[in-house]
Parts: sequence; C-alpha cells; structure tokens
Amino acid sequence: QSALTQPPSASGSPGQSVTISCTGTNSDVGGYNYVSWYQQHPGKAPKVMIYEVSKRPSGVPDRFSGSKSGDTASLTVSGLQAEDEADYYCSSYAGSNNYVFGTGTKVTVL
Amino acid sequence: QVQLVESGGGVVQPGRSLRLSCAASGLTFRNYGMDWVRQAPGKGLEWVALIWYDGSNKYYADSVKGRFTISRDNSKNTLYLQMNSLRAEDTAVYYCASQRGDPGYFDYWGQGTLVTVSS
Repeated sequence: QSALTQPPSASGSPGQSVTISCTGTNSDVGGYNYVSWYQQHPGKAPKVMIYEVSKRPSGVPDRFSGSKSGDTASLTVSGLQAEDEADYYCSSYAGSNNYVFGTGTKVTVL
Repeated sequence: QVQLVESGGGVVQPGRSLRLSCAASGLTFRNYGMDWVRQAPGKGLEWVALIWYDGSNKYYADSVKGRFTISRDNSKNTLYLQMNSLRAEDTAVYYCASQRGDPGYFDYWGQGTLVTVSS
C-alpha cells in the first residue's frame, strides 16, 4: 500500500487560509468516505482534526474543514493562527481493515 | 480523561525481538478496536496493525506481516505488539491509538515509545 501524496509544505499569513491536498487512488481515498486528518506538533502525538472526510471532533475549531473530490481529499485551515503551525497528515481506509497515511505537510504561519 | 501509555521501547540488535505494551485508562477498553502506528525519525506516519475490540481479528501492514503480532488483554486494559526479526527499518516511535468506528479513525493516541534497531 503506497502512502497518499501530500505537498511537503504550505504556508500562509495569520488570518489567511491554507488548503492541503491528499491524493490517493480509487482503492483508498476515492473508494471510501473514511478520510481523516491529523495535526502533529514537534515531539508530540498526532491529534485528529477531521474524520469521515468532513466531520470535526468536539473541541476542534470550525476553522478546520475537510472535503473530497474523486481520489483527492483536502483540508482547509481558515483564519490561520500561530498555533496552527504543525505537520498535517491525512489518512484513509484502504479496504480489508488496512489504513494508509499521507506523506505529510508542514504548515508554516508566516 | 483518556490516557494511553506505551512502554517497552529501547535499543535492540537486528534480528532480535521486543514487546511493546500500551496501558489504557479513561475509556472502556474492551469496546475499542486498537491500532499501532509508527513514525521513523524525521518521517511520516505509518499504520502498523489493528486488533478488533475482542481480539478476534488482527490485521497488519505488509511491511510487518509475519514478523509482528498484535494482541490485547481486556482484563488488564493493555495492548501489546510483539516484534520479532527486527530490522533497521523498524526504527521508529511506536504509538498506540484507539480506533473509533469500523472503518474508523484514530481518536486517542499515546505519547509513543522509541524503538531503535541497531548493532
């Protein structure tokens, strides 16, 4: 199972929006609505930000939103804040009780 | 609050074995599927294994199939990962995570335990 493809980096100024893409195949992202997104600060464990493509767990700001079109999912962070600077990973169900993660995107708040 | 605490990491020689543990509290452990996810130094996340809530089914990434075994003891609220025939490429921080839904997502994570495979 190959990792999902994400851009290595993305950036924006405070208050702006940034969108991260996550491209897979019709065997993972395109085949199921089980895409999730995780935020990871340096030296910390990942934290789920979005699940089932576009749902937010309680406690996650509504500045975080998710969507999917075909084999590509996207995470948008609106109204960027300094604390949003982190690595972001997508993940998708890949069938047969297997999961695959994306390559990761480092978001920088300028 | 939910806590997942991994232990058992360390330095091990190639070809040797190691067993990781993950102690859970603050959640009804027996109701949750559990996963192991690893992260090599400076690299991305990699899903390793999944065990159903009752231990009846287990699934593995191709990279560890036949070498790693996931198990659980619901009476002790503990998840395990037995790692045999370790290779240098298994060097990583290993996280345990609870899975919500089936299929689902990883909702709670431990702090991770570092495994270094080196001679």
